[in-house]
Amino acid sequence: AQSVTQLDSQVPVFEEAPVELRCNYSSSVSVYLFWYVQYPNQGLQLLLKYLSGSTLVKGINGFEAEFNKSQTSFHLRKPSVHISDTAEYFCAGPLRSGGGADGLTFGKGTHLIIQP
Amino acid sequence: NAGVTQTPKFQVLKTGQSMTLQCAQDMNHEYMSWYRQDPGMGLRLIHYSVGAGITDQGEVPNGYNVSRSTTEDFPLRLLSAAPSQTSVYFCASSEAGGRLYEQYFGPGTRLTVT
Repeated sequence: AQSVTQLDSQVPVFEEAPVELRCNYSSSVSVYLFWYVQYPNQGLQLLLKYLSGSTLVKGINGFEAEFNKSQTSFHLRKPSVHISDTAEYFCAGPLRSGGGADGLTFGKGTHLIIQP
Repeated sequence: NAGVTQTPKFQVLKTGQSMTLQCAQDMNHEYMSWYRQDPGMGLRLIHYSVGAGITDQGEVPNGYNVSRSTTEDFPLRLLSAAPSQTSVYFCASSEAGGRLYEQYFGPGTRLTVT
């Protein structure tokens, strides 16, 4: 099975400051990567995805991520955060390499805490 | 569109009891899956289905059963609940193979096994 690793379990940041949430992946074949957000007591919602093409991916709510093959990373960034961005963020990738239509493997999550 | 719906929202079971967590989607998605979310563990895939009549195991299938008789429904059965199955369960669906397409998640079922 493949894996994604989120390096920080919790990231505190002041409102209107920039933020970067880190994600590294392991993959021997094709790479598909996702960032999901989970607001308190809700299900997950897709922020953005990388399937191929441009390495800079823009998502919803002003978030973007950069796919870096040499660093095996897919870090999530936002130039200026808002209180409403307080949530849990998950990086995800294919569970298994190769063909097949199986599901995703998720990182353990990063709790983004916005301080006023 | 209701999207992905799950029932119940909360459930408390005693060890050894059985129950079925319901999941339904109205988007005509072929792919459906079940995940469990535990603190500090992220989400882990339990079972998935690529269409009616076809199911397969994910990362943590033991203790759970699934079937898919219609495109819309994908119930998850716990045959004999154990405290280790205390978790939040999420159902998800997508247009096709879950690895490539956006997965739409339900609101979750919080299960406690005492």
